[in-house]
Amino acid sequence: DQQVKQNSPSLSVQEGRISILNCDYTNSMFDYFLWYKKYPAEGPTFLISISSIKDKNEDGRFTVFLNKSAKHLSLHIVPSQPGDSAVYFCAAKKLGGKLIFGQGTELSVKP
Amino acid sequence: DVKVTQSSRYLVKRTGEKVFLECVQDMDHENMFWYRQDPGLGLRLIYFSYDVKMKEKGDIPEGYSVSREKKERFSLILESASTNQTSMYLCASSVLAGADTQYFGPGTRLTVL
Repeated sequence: DQQVKQNSPSLSVQEGRISILNCDYTNSMFDYFLWYKKYPAEGPTFLISISSIKDKNEDGRFTVFLNKSAKHLSLHIVPSQPGDSAVYFCAAKKLGGKLIFGQGTELSVKP
Repeated sequence: DVKVTQSSRYLVKRTGEKVFLECVQDMDHENMFWYRQDPGLGLRLIYFSYDVKMKEKGDIPEGYSVSREKKERFSLILESASTNQTSMYLCASSVLAGADTQYFGPGTRLTVL
C-alpha cells in the first residue's frame, strides 16, 4: 500500500520556466512533509519541508504547498535551472513515525 | 557538515554469498537507517536503529539483518544474496528519533549474479 505517491515518473521543463512536482498521500495522520533531491551516484539531500500547520513554505527558488483537504503537496521551482535536473522524492511522516517516501520524479531542465 | 560514508560504491556478488554493507557517520547521530532504492518504488526502509545494539525492522526486512556495535557504524547483512536483492542501497542518519531530516550516504549499487 503506497501511502505516498508521485504519479509522474518524469518531468521536462525549459530553463527559466516553473517546475511543478506533485505528491499525493493517503494517511491523514501525516503531519510533516519533506522534499529530497537526488543526483545520480549521490545520496538524497534534504531540500525543503513543511509542517501540517502551514500551507506554504518558501526557501529561495523553492516553494512547497500543502493542501490538507486534498492530501496533496507540490514543489515549485522558479526559475528552473539546468542544475536542478535530478530525481525529487517527497516524504511524509506522522508524529513519532518514520519517513515514508514516494517513488520519485525525475526532473530534466533543458537549456 | 554531516558526513555519511558507505564502504563501497559498486559491488558485484554471486547468489548465495554473504554480503556486508558498511555505513559510518561522523556526527554522533543516534539514529541510522538502511534503505533500498528501486525504479518505480522509491526508497523503502529495510531496518533502522535508535541506539547501539538496538534495531527495528522497517517495511522490507526479509532477507536482511543488521548490526550496530558502535554508535557511528551501522552494517547491513545479506545472509544469502539473491538476484532480487540487486538494488541501490542507501544508508542514512539523523539526530531525532522522529527522523525529520535524514542525511544520506552516496549509496552502494549491489548487483547479485
